[in-house]
Formats: sequence, C-alpha cells, structure tokens
Amino acid sequence: GESVGLHLPTLSVQEGDNSIINCAYSNSASDYFIWYKQESGKGPQFIIDIRSNMDKRQGQRVTVLLNKTVKHLSLQIAATQPGDSAVYFCADSYSGSARQLTFGSGTQLTVLP
Amino acid sequence: SQTIHQWPATLVQPVGSPLSLECTVEGTSNPNLYWYRQAAGRGLQLLFYSVGIGQISSEVPQNLSASRPQDRQFILSSKKLLLSDSGFYLCAWSVRGPTEAFFGQGTRLTVV
Repeated sequence: GESVGLHLPTLSVQEGDNSIINCAYSNSASDYFIWYKQESGKGPQFIIDIRSNMDKRQGQRVTVLLNKTVKHLSLQIAATQPGDSAVYFCADSYSGSARQLTFGSGTQLTVLP
Repeated sequence: SQTIHQWPATLVQPVGSPLSLECTVEGTSNPNLYWYRQAAGRGLQLLFYSVGIGQISSEVPQNLSASRPQDRQFILSSKKLLLSDSGFYLCAWSVRGPTEAFFGQGTRLTVV
C-alpha cells in the first residue's frame, strides 16, 4: 500500500512550548487521517482524526491541520507537557482499502524540563 | 465499553519453534481485526486483517499466518520461527467505515 512518511524522526521541545509534528502522505485518494501517540512498550492510542472534507480540527490541546494540495498533515500540541513525550504516528486510509490504516515511521517527541 | 486483550506481553522463543499469539475483543460484534508488526524505529506494518470469521487477508509474504476461529478472536501463528520474526506485534480492531483502530498493548517477541 501507499506509505506515509514523516519529515522529522525526533523532536525536542521545552516544557510549555508548542510542538508541531509533520507528516507527508503519498496517496492522493486518502480521505481519512489519524494521529496516534505511542508510549514506550505500549500500543498506540488515538489522539485525533480528520477527514478530507476538513482542513483543521481541534481537540484538547491538540490541533490537526490537513493540506490536501501538498499532501501534508500536521499535529500541533499546545503547552507541551512531560507526559506528551512519546512517539507520534500519523496514518491514512482511503475508501478502497477496507479502511486499513497505513502508518508512517513515527516522530519521537521529547519534552525538556 | 469495548476492550481488547492481547497476550502474552513478552515472549522469548528459540528459532524453529512454533508461535501462537492470541487477541480477543470484548464489547463489540463483527469487528475488523488486524495484526501489525513494529520494528524498532519503524512504523506499523500491517500483516493481516480480517473482516469476518474465517476471512483472512495477508498484506505481505512472510513466515506467519493468521486465523479467526470466532468473531472476536484473532490468532497469529507460525510453524517455525525465524530470527527475523522478532519484533513488537500489535493486535487492533475497528468497526466498519472510516474510523480509528483500537490497539492492544502488544507482544514483544524475541526469537533467539
């Protein structure tokens, strides 16, 4: 299937700063996108999702932006906290894939005190 | 509420030995079920998915197989493990349609 890539494998931010994690996808037919957070030794947990008919969606301290023109997805975390340290994955799917999610390689976010 | 159980959490097996990892889902019916593998520093690679009992789709050629003997049970197996089968295996489920998948806590498999 199509691959989902990430621009940066690691990201370090100061506690209290905002974090931006980027993701590029390659399948122009993708119409559903999702961000997961994975803490060490655990399964990924859902953070936020967005469908292709939207370009922005906000959750609690998180915002996902979708730019379909350049096939780019980003996750913004406001006021980053130590508990936000984890690997973040983006994933996409499209109608013809039986809704299988294609994952990127992940970005390791480290929050510095 | 729905829950997913995956076991064991860790497993060390010798090369050539068989494998059986089990995953069960509670609180939902007729889910889509998935097995993913995650190598260190890599994303999640889809190995198998199932849309119903006895229906298994394989995404990549490999030394593993999957079975779905019951609606909410998904099993990952191997007859003879290889060193390259080491990794972090994740089971997941989803409902039909465009929605997120819910993951189990994973099994760390080390083949020695």
